[in-house]
Amino acid sequence: KQEVTQIPAALSVPEGENLVLNCSFTDSAIYNLQWFRQDPGKGLTSLLLIQSSQREQTSGRLNASLDKSSGRSTLYIAASQPGDSATYLCASTGNQFYFGTGTSLTVIP
Amino acid sequence: GAVVSQHPSRVICKSGTSVKIECRSLDFQATTMFWYRQFPKQSLMLMATSNEGSKATYEQGVEKDKFLINHASLTLSTLTVTSAHPEDSSFYICSAREVTHETQYFGPGTRLLVL
Repeated sequence: KQEVTQIPAALSVPEGENLVLNCSFTDSAIYNLQWFRQDPGKGLTSLLLIQSSQREQTSGRLNASLDKSSGRSTLYIAASQPGDSATYLCASTGNQFYFGTGTSLTVIP
Repeated sequence: GAVVSQHPSRVICKSGTSVKIECRSLDFQATTMFWYRQFPKQSLMLMATSNEGSKATYEQGVEKDKFLINHASLTLSTLTVTSAHPEDSSFYICSAREVTHETQYFGPGTRLLVL
């Protein structure tokens, strides 16, 4: 069974900092790796999807990388803003979804 | 950790029939459950939010009469795809938010294929 781990569990940074969120998975035979954002009291918002054959995806200030051989993915957020404060989840997706436990990010103005 | 199950994990049906998907929180109570769908090679899209004992809140563009959601208890929510068509073929996933800690847990998903 795929196990997905996210480190750190919580992160607090001052506005403007660049930051990296980490995601590791045990089974490298993944189909896709997805990053999601979850705001309090809300559902999931999909941020980036990296297909198995890809190494990274970029959207605005976000960049996600995938290294299947090491079982790792990272989400890089550039020039963080208070509006980036949320919980970020990664998931190995394919026939089934396996979610990490999330990183709670707080960006301090 | 908390577990959310979905049943069935995979279903194939004929066009025009209705399909019911169950989402259960196995060891915790969930006042709120979310339903998502993902089309091939696309991102996960929130369909609706269901609260126990009340009507579901649907996202824009999601037909509430086609995707019936019932959240009858604190551990069970169902999604019924009525009069299914091939374009409804997708991966449907639910999540359940725990009452006490507000943590959200995700089910493994249901793959629907409409022929």
